[in-house]
Amino acid sequence: DVKVTQSSRYLVKRTGEKVFLECVQDMDHENMFWYRQDPGLGLRLIYFSYDVKMKEKGDIPEGYSVSREKKERFSLILESASTNQTSMYLCASGQPAYEQYFGPGTRLTVT
Amino acid sequence: AQKITQTQPGMFVQEKEAVTLDCTYDTSDPSYGLFWYKQPSSGEMIFLIYQGSYDQQNATEGRYSLNFQKARKSANLVISASQLGDSAMYFCAMRVINTGNQFYFGTGTSLTVIP
Repeated sequence: DVKVTQSSRYLVKRTGEKVFLECVQDMDHENMFWYRQDPGLGLRLIYFSYDVKMKEKGDIPEGYSVSREKKERFSLILESASTNQTSMYLCASGQPAYEQYFGPGTRLTVT
Repeated sequence: AQKITQTQPGMFVQEKEAVTLDCTYDTSDPSYGLFWYKQPSSGEMIFLIYQGSYDQQNATEGRYSLNFQKARKSANLVISASQLGDSAMYFCAMRVINTGNQFYFGTGTSLTVIP
């Protein structure tokens, strides 16, 4: 079975803090994705990566950055957390042209 | 622009009955794939079913089937014989080949199965 893990299920941070969300997949997938999910808005793509050290902006990249130094790991960074970044963050991985597999999600609260 | 629309924020269905969740999509690209995911209250997204734009037959996976009407640009999910465990959020998604590997998601439909 494909497994995508995320470093935390729940996270509480203060405004202005630097926040790291880690995602690891164990199926050697080329593509990895970060989404945020908000009620009534569905899933919105923040960034995705199709190879090590490669990244592409999604629909809402502002306030976020990413890092992919190894194929299995894709990190989402909030350089200076703000309250409007309180959300559920979902990581996914997959091979090109196939379905995505999701991690359990991280519910981030910024106070 | 690529777009997925789910117009039903919430749906109710009696246990053992069938239910249809609506999804319409918009793309000018002829090559695309359509996906349905289930998200239980635990939060994890579970892949249910896939339909390719060139597939001649509607996809089926157990109790799930995808009613694909290409001319109408609709890809409705049909769940037969609903079970209490089917209560969840359901998301329709599209991947367009020429835009790379990006997925476009709808806003979701919350399904509640009533005993």
